[in-house]
Amino acid sequence: DTAVSQTPKYLVTQMGNDKSIKCEQNLGHDTMYWYKQDSKKFLKIMFSYNNKELIINETVPNRFSPKSPDKAHLNLHINSLELGDSAVYFCASSQAAGGNYNEQFFGPGTRLTVL
Amino acid sequence: DAKTTQPTSMDCAEGRAANLPCNHSTISGNEYVYWYRQIHSQGPQYIIHGLKNNETNEMASLIITEDRKSSTLILPHATLRDTAVYYCIVRVSQYGNAGNMLTFGGGTRLMVKP
Repeated sequence: DTAVSQTPKYLVTQMGNDKSIKCEQNLGHDTMYWYKQDSKKFLKIMFSYNNKELIINETVPNRFSPKSPDKAHLNLHINSLELGDSAVYFCASSQAAGGNYNEQFFGPGTRLTVL
Repeated sequence: DAKTTQPTSMDCAEGRAANLPCNHSTISGNEYVYWYRQIHSQGPQYIIHGLKNNETNEMASLIITEDRKSSTLILPHATLRDTAVYYCIVRVSQYGNAGNMLTFGGGTRLMVKP
């Protein structure tokens, strides 16, 4: 069983479009995250979210917004896509309450290419 | 977060132990040392973490110096599948705080060779 899954695996789109990436975890975790890995392979946190609060990395443009329909899902919406948004996006989850926050489980990634 | 310093790359012969060092001289008393790895084209994978004592699990061992200013991740019998980028991260572990976000540095690219 896949613990953290993302769809789609690959996403190619035109500049200016709006797109979403979906993430689901079946681990029963209460906290989910989105990370961005750019062409230089640096992995940067974008958002951290549980049912109590959303923490946003201040460097993330407001064109990016996470949406959580329930505890098992954290989708990433991106408006007005730009060339610089091309990257691999990783979803992750962890168990905060009673667990170890920093033992995070990552999805396989979504490679976004903006043309 | 305490800053970490790792070598950019290392080689290891298959079947031998891989020892990956990490310096974290500014670590605070409540900060843990975490290790993750990222195999090519995959998401990062948690390996192990520790506070003061040495730790061992099915994947690796973590040796933390007494002053906690450095640590070493040991893969006892490296295989070709252990070829990956290994990240050392120093972070507090805070209950009930969604803002506990990991910061990944450049890591060490470990190449296991036949």
